[in-house]
Amino acid sequence: QQQVKQSPQSLIVQKGGIPIINCAYENTAFDYFPWYQQFPGKGPALLIAIRPDVSEKKEGRFTISFNKSAKQFSLHIMDSQPGDSATYFCAASLQTGANNLFFGTGTRLTVIP
Amino acid sequence: GAGVSQSPSNKVTEKGKDVELRCDPISGHTALYWYRQSLGQGLEFLIYFQGNSAPDKSGLPSDRFSAERTGGSVSTLTIQRTQQEDSAVYLCASSLALGGYIQYFGAGTRLSVL
Repeated sequence: QQQVKQSPQSLIVQKGGIPIINCAYENTAFDYFPWYQQFPGKGPALLIAIRPDVSEKKEGRFTISFNKSAKQFSLHIMDSQPGDSATYFCAASLQTGANNLFFGTGTRLTVIP
Repeated sequence: GAGVSQSPSNKVTEKGKDVELRCDPISGHTALYWYRQSLGQGLEFLIYFQGNSAPDKSGLPSDRFSAERTGGSVSTLTIQRTQQEDSAVYLCASSLALGGYIQYFGAGTRLSVL
């Protein structure tokens, strides 16, 4: 059973556009929601993360919006650049215990110059 | 080292052979995780270590998979009698400790079983 569902599978935007990637989770006990960015041939790298006690977090051009009642969260990339072209994974975890990450299936973003 | 190191970066093997994948975590990181990334899938959690101990092995896909960690540092993931469905990228991550710490990933080992 996929604990975290992610959409869309792929996304193409023009430079300067605002791609939005959406995720939904099942387990209401999850208390940590990171987004990872992965370039070809590299491992995922943490981009930004949020905890469920806040509804929004911004770091530079990246914003997470979090809706606890709907069990959904999303990533917005402002003023997207060709260098943002990568695969983005949302994830969720329980910070007590193992803290292993449950990942979404990924979104391949292409930003056209 | 500066980051999580995994070797080999690529491994091609024949069905039925055993393979060993190695992970060198960031120095001082006590927690270590193994994930598998299959084509078109997200990352699937396999196993974690706190120090040299792996308290829960239920995430391993089958009894052909095993993992160990020695000296609180290097970990190896062993797949015995490899099958074609084992073909994937195997990723290792480490964090300072369990709990609310960032997991840092290596570049992975791409395993191809022919």
